[in-house]
Formats: sequence, C-alpha cells, structure tokens
Amino acid sequence: DSGVTQTPKHLITATGQRVTLRCSPRSGDLSVYWYQQSLDQGLQFLIQYYNGEERAKGNILERFSAQQFPDLHSELNLSSLELGDSALYFCASSVTSGSMREQYFGPGTRLTVT
Amino acid sequence: AQKVTQAQTEISVVEKEDVTLDCVYETRDTTYYLFWYKQPPSGELVFLIRRNSFDEQNEISGRYSWNFQKSTSSFNFTITASQVVDSAVYFCALSEANYGGSQGNLIFGKGTKLSVKP
Repeated sequence: DSGVTQTPKHLITATGQRVTLRCSPRSGDLSVYWYQQSLDQGLQFLIQYYNGEERAKGNILERFSAQQFPDLHSELNLSSLELGDSALYFCASSVTSGSMREQYFGPGTRLTVT
Repeated sequence: AQKVTQAQTEISVVEKEDVTLDCVYETRDTTYYLFWYKQPPSGELVFLIRRNSFDEQNEISGRYSWNFQKSTSSFNFTITASQVVDSAVYFCALSEANYGGSQGNLIFGKGTKLSVKP
C-alpha cells in the first residue's frame, strides 16, 4: 500500500459527460501529480500541483482540469468525454522539499467511456 | 528533449533464469533522476529504485540489481534467479528538477513486459 488513495476505482460513463477523479496524497506529501496510461500513448504526465498551486503541465487537454485543495487532496475533472479518454488515470505524490524524492502512485481510476 | 527508451517490448524467461531489462535515456540536464517502477497484473505502479545523476554506484537489493552508466546513458535492471511473481510490466523513468531543485514530473519509457514461466 503506497499510502496514496484514489476514488473511484472504476468509472463507466458516456461520451459527452463530465467526471471527477479524486486523489488523497500520502501524509506529509505536498506534491500531487496526475498521469494517464493508455494503450497507445503509454504513461503520460498530465499536471502537477504543489501545496495548492499548479507547478507544471504536461499533455493535458483543455477539456481536462485539476485542482489541489487546502487539505492537499486533488481532483481531476474530465469533461466532454470522448471514447479516446478511456484510460487508467493515476495520481502520485511526493515530498518535494529540496532534494529529489520518488513518487508514490495510487491504485488508479479506470475510466471507460462508452 | 527528454526521452526514455525501453527497446525490449516483451521478454519471456523460465523461472530461475537471470534477465536484464534495458533502459536508455536522453536529457540535456546535468542533474536528473532515474527510476524503475513495476506494474504487476493488478495494475498498480510500485516504486523499485531511484538513482541520482551524480551517483553512478550500482545497487543490489536482494535478487534485483541496477547498473547505471552515464557514459552510455543507460540504467539497466537485472533480476537474478527470476520467479513467477516477477511477471509484470517494468517501467524506466526519468525526472528533471523543476522549481527550486525539487522533483519534476516523470517521463516514462514504454515499458517491458516480463513473463516468467514455471
């Protein structure tokens, strides 16, 4: 158990809908990262938050947005869903204080868009 | 541009064989970090090892060992006496520092699927 929690574990929805994925980082970790894993694109970085502020953006679509709340949990919002958004979405957290630390991943949310 | 290449898409071995998973990376930074993660069939990503660019010392942890060579930009992973439980997809990843020297995002290779047969 990495200490990172993600809900829900599975999500099935229709095209055009909007969903919210939730992540709680490990206790003490200030940084949260979101990644998407799909068969064709592999594991891709979407966005990073550090202590409530956006830190870095990767290949995140404009239809996707995220935020990190004062209690450090994060939410990834996916809207106007398309079939191609079906993927496994991971959240990861790390300490991120000075020297480099590894990222610990949650169990993922498997999104299926029908 | 940063890039991680895992040329081996799939490897199949018989239990107790040794197996090496290759990883080649590209980066222009002098400070960077390398990782290996394991993704078993259950789907979670499990952290295995982190290595700093300024520490080329090889590491051994039980049946696992890692060989980091900056001269060839490689960070290879060897499993000695493989077991069925080692069957998984293994990802090599690269990270560069972002703000204030703190850790940036991970750039993953495509992964190597290892199947260990009894």
